[in-house]
Amino acid sequence: NAGVMQNPRHLVRRRGQEARLRCSPMKGHSHVYWYRQLPEEGLKFMVYLQKENIIDESGMPKERFSAEFPKEGPSILRIQQVVRGDSAAYFCASSLQGGETQYFGPGTRLLVL
Amino acid sequence: AQTVTQSQPEMSVQEAETVTLSCTYDTSESDYYLFWYKQPPSRQMILVIRQEAYKQQNATENRFSVNFQKAAKSFSLKISDSQLGDAAMYFCAYRRDTGNQFYFGTGTSLTVIP
Repeated sequence: NAGVMQNPRHLVRRRGQEARLRCSPMKGHSHVYWYRQLPEEGLKFMVYLQKENIIDESGMPKERFSAEFPKEGPSILRIQQVVRGDSAAYFCASSLQGGETQYFGPGTRLLVL
Repeated sequence: AQTVTQSQPEMSVQEAETVTLSCTYDTSESDYYLFWYKQPPSRQMILVIRQEAYKQQNATENRFSVNFQKAAKSFSLKISDSQLGDAAMYFCAYRRDTGNQFYFGTGTSLTVIP
């Protein structure tokens, strides 16, 4: 039973480019969460999605960031026109139901040069 | 707003000994969940243990146990018979009963000394 999958594991972008981070939830899970971890800090919630719906995006920056979880395929976190401050580890988690225990993927380390 | 505080940035323990990691939280809710996650050098987030606030009994998972003091809003993690593989960052996390997002502390880095 594969866990939460994230790719790429490492991503390097130059300022102004776009970053696309992918997350495939655990089998049978239809709830996906994205978190960001800055160096020396804990994880901070960004967005919670179900299939084709954004349920809670209260932690998402208003500009440049977007997320989707289509009917088919992985959840995507998109960061447009990246800046150095976007450098962080981005974790995806999934749960069977909303409000259940969340299981985390290995994270994507984004480095903006 | 909910906040989670881990006041020990770093801890160390001798192999086979016991160590306790502290966590306090602030909430006005009566029903909620508390978690400890482990983040080894691989950076994977691994669930260690979970506690429901409505349960008075402290959760236990093999060598890992918690001391949940609801009135004091304290949720410490005890690791018994520490092993080298226990070395990692440990994060305490809170979730409201009806909420979806986790609130994480800043973590405690645990070193296990052979």
